[in-house]
Amino acid sequence: QSVLTQPPSTSGTPGQTVTISCSGSSSNIGSNTVTWYQHLLGAAPILLIFGSYNRPSGVPDRFSGSTSGTSASLAISGLRSEDEADYYCATWDNSLSAWVFGGGTKVTVL
Amino acid sequence: QVQLVESGGGLVKPGGSLRLSCAASGFRFSDFYMSWIRQAPGKGLEWLSYISTRGTNTAYADPAKGRFTISRDDRSNLVYLQMDNLRAEDTALYYCARGGGSAIDRWGQGTMVTVSS
Repeated sequence: QSVLTQPPSTSGTPGQTVTISCSGSSSNIGSNTVTWYQHLLGAAPILLIFGSYNRPSGVPDRFSGSTSGTSASLAISGLRSEDEADYYCATWDNSLSAWVFGGGTKVTVL
Repeated sequence: QVQLVESGGGLVKPGGSLRLSCAASGFRFSDFYMSWIRQAPGKGLEWLSYISTRGTNTAYADPAKGRFTISRDDRSNLVYLQMDNLRAEDTALYYCARGGGSAIDRWGQGTMVTVSS
């Protein structure tokens, strides 16, 4: 059972927008910024969003992050076949004194 | 460019020990916190530990407390994870990653640890 809750899966057709939610609590998302990662099988996870809504250089602007209270979201607009991957949210938890991850969301491009 | 290369994984019996290493290059290693994160087969990502710059502070997740020890060698650009009293549930792909005091931003490819008799 992950501290941060993500839907196990979501899907969309090419060009659509999909949104992945990440639900936490006051000790994690409610107090700290959120990072998002893309993880392809057999590859190293890639940082997509840091500071809740900032994109590292090289990450397309199709990826965007937001937060509201104790929840965060990752939106992928203009969905492409290469976006098919697992996506994870993460943040620091003040009560656990640990980094915590969501359980991951598998995005399928139909 | 930033590279993190893990090594030291393998097959170990329950109760045994392993020391994982991570060789870093392409950035000023001594300026960054470093972390270890794992992924058990079919499961999600689980953060285990970080070590601060100069090794002055460390932090551990509950599954690692008392059994795992993180350390670093800034002269050789290496970070280690000593794992003792290993259990079957420690079977996972272990990633070295840059960061931990703030965003964890770069990851290695991982090294596989299998705990089985």
